[in-house]
Amino acid sequence: GEDVEQSLFLSVREGDSSVINCTYTDSSSTYLYWYKQEPGAGLQLLTYIFSNMDMKQDQRLTVLLNKKDKHLSLRIADTQTGDSAIYFCAEKSPGTYKYIFGTGTRLKVLA
Amino acid sequence: GAVVSQHPSWVICKSGTSVKIECRSLDFQATTMFWYRQFPKQSLMLMATSNEGSKATYEQGVEKDKFLINHASLTLSTLTVTSAHPEDSSFYICSAREGLAGGPVTGELFFGEGSRLTVL
Repeated sequence: GEDVEQSLFLSVREGDSSVINCTYTDSSSTYLYWYKQEPGAGLQLLTYIFSNMDMKQDQRLTVLLNKKDKHLSLRIADTQTGDSAIYFCAEKSPGTYKYIFGTGTRLKVLA
Repeated sequence: GAVVSQHPSWVICKSGTSVKIECRSLDFQATTMFWYRQFPKQSLMLMATSNEGSKATYEQGVEKDKFLINHASLTLSTLTVTSAHPEDSSFYICSAREGLAGGPVTGELFFGEGSRLTVL
């Protein structure tokens, strides 16, 4: 099957780290992505990781991939109020440009 | 980065009318565009894949006569919601992939800002 699951809601205090988790089912996925969606807007690509990598760091963002458990996480260091949004993980079906999106995690950052 | 623009960003129409939403790649050629539908507080559901110069490929359960897709040029795809009904009210998002020449290795998709359709 092609199900990508995420926890629906996460609340953190400003300055703390946020960790958003994602579980996917297609072990043949070549790329996994994290997108951010602000209210009423489209999706903004935050970062991506290739399936042969375990970790990728990009400024405040750290992506961890556990391919054995099909688990992907996004850590946001020093979370700011501007990080409040919905975060979607997505996997790319091999050989196509079809993305399967997760259910989305709504991150709320408290001042 | 590449820019994808949707128009209109917000549209209200009467039940029974048709509405056209445009998706444009502003600074690159998009051989393939994708149309998604997003219900409130839910994820994106892929509706169809639009290929320049050929018929769109619809996902299972999506009515192709209801949601007409045209991709007449490398920079424009349109989604027409025909005979719209209140249940068609939703947030519609398009995405585009650059053409093969100079395209990103990651297969990155660029998303439009979305179009919110409200059918009265």
